[in-house]
Parts: sequence; C-alpha cells; structure tokens
Amino acid sequence: TQLLEQSPQFLSIQEGENLTVYCNSSSVFSSLQWYRQEPGEGPVLLVTVVTGGEVKKLKRLTFQFGDARKDSSLHITAAQPGDTGLYLCAGAGGNQFYFGTGTSLTVIP
Amino acid sequence: GAGVSQTPSNKVTEKGKYVELRCDPISGHTALYWYRQSLGQGPEFLIYFQGTGAADDSGLPNDRFFAVRPEGSVSTLKIQRTERGDSAVYLCASSLTGITEAFFGQGTRLTVV
Repeated sequence: TQLLEQSPQFLSIQEGENLTVYCNSSSVFSSLQWYRQEPGEGPVLLVTVVTGGEVKKLKRLTFQFGDARKDSSLHITAAQPGDTGLYLCAGAGGNQFYFGTGTSLTVIP
Repeated sequence: GAGVSQTPSNKVTEKGKYVELRCDPISGHTALYWYRQSLGQGPEFLIYFQGTGAADDSGLPNDRFFAVRPEGSVSTLKIQRTERGDSAVYLCASSLTGITEAFFGQGTRLTVV
C-alpha cells in the first residue's frame, strides 16, 4: 500500500528553471521528511517538517507541510545540474516511515 | 561511526542460497530500520528495532526473511533460500530514538541469479 503519492514522477528541466514537487496522502503524519537519493547511494535527509503549515528553506529549496499534515511540497528555485536526483518524501507514522513513489529530477545544463 | 555503514555494498548470489546483510548504525541510535528498494520505487519497510528487540516486523515478506540486533547496535538481515524476486537494494537506517529523523546507509545491492 502506497500511502504517499508524489507528482510528477519524472521531471526534466533546463538549468535555471523553477520547479515544484508534490507529496500527497489521505493520512495524517506526525512529521514528514524529504530525501534526495543519487544512483548507487542511500537517501540523504534534506529536511524534516513537523508542524502543520510549516515552511522551511534550505538555500534554493523551500519545503512546506500542509495545514492538515497530510501533504507537502518541495520548491526548487533556479535549478542546477547538481540538483539532479530522486526526491523522496516520507511520512512518519506508527513504527515506520512511509515513503512516496519518488520524483526523478534531471536538470539539463 | 560518522554514518550508517552497510556491508557488503554489492552481493551476487545463486538462487536458493543463504545471505546475510550487515548494518552498523550511527553510534547511540537506539532505533534501526531495514527497508527494501526496487528500481524506480520508493523504499518499502521491512522491520524496525528499538534496542535489541524487533518492535515491528510487519514488513517482512515471508518467513525466509529474518533480522537480528543482539546487542542493540549492529543488525544483520538474513535471507534464506533466496529467490530472483529478492533482488533489490536493501537499505538500513537509524534514528536517535523512535520515529524521528532517520539516516540511511548506502545500501546493499543484492542480485539473485
């Protein structure tokens, strides 16, 4: 059962463009994490959001947790080739983290 | 150590063989998770340890899969009678206590031929 749906599944953009990735669920989570994963590596934690409506910024990345703590978004400003990777959201609930389906981002120089 | 360490990084085994995958979590982290990731998919939960005990093993696909963490630190995921469908990247993560931020290792890529 996939509790978290991410969209889009694939995204290919030119360097310098902006983009938004969405993570949606019908379930409420105590917190939500965003990870970036590169080929052959494990997911690397980018941010954790806990409070409904919370917004966190990490350089050119802006993360938002929905008011009802069911969904989240990741916005990247002026994307760079180094942003290329698989972006995963994960909601914390029960004894585990429920991962989304992932968004594969390619930034073309 | 500084991060979560998994060994081996790659494992190729023949169908029907037994394999062990090792995870060395971040020092002091009491919670440890095993996940499995297939190509193009998000990680899927297998098992969660809190200390030495398996607090939740509901994600283990069948009784061929077993995991231990005897001293509350290093964990071993054991797969008996491997099948080609077991081929995947097996990820280990640890967190300080329970459902807080989880930090992942680089994974073990298991290929069953």
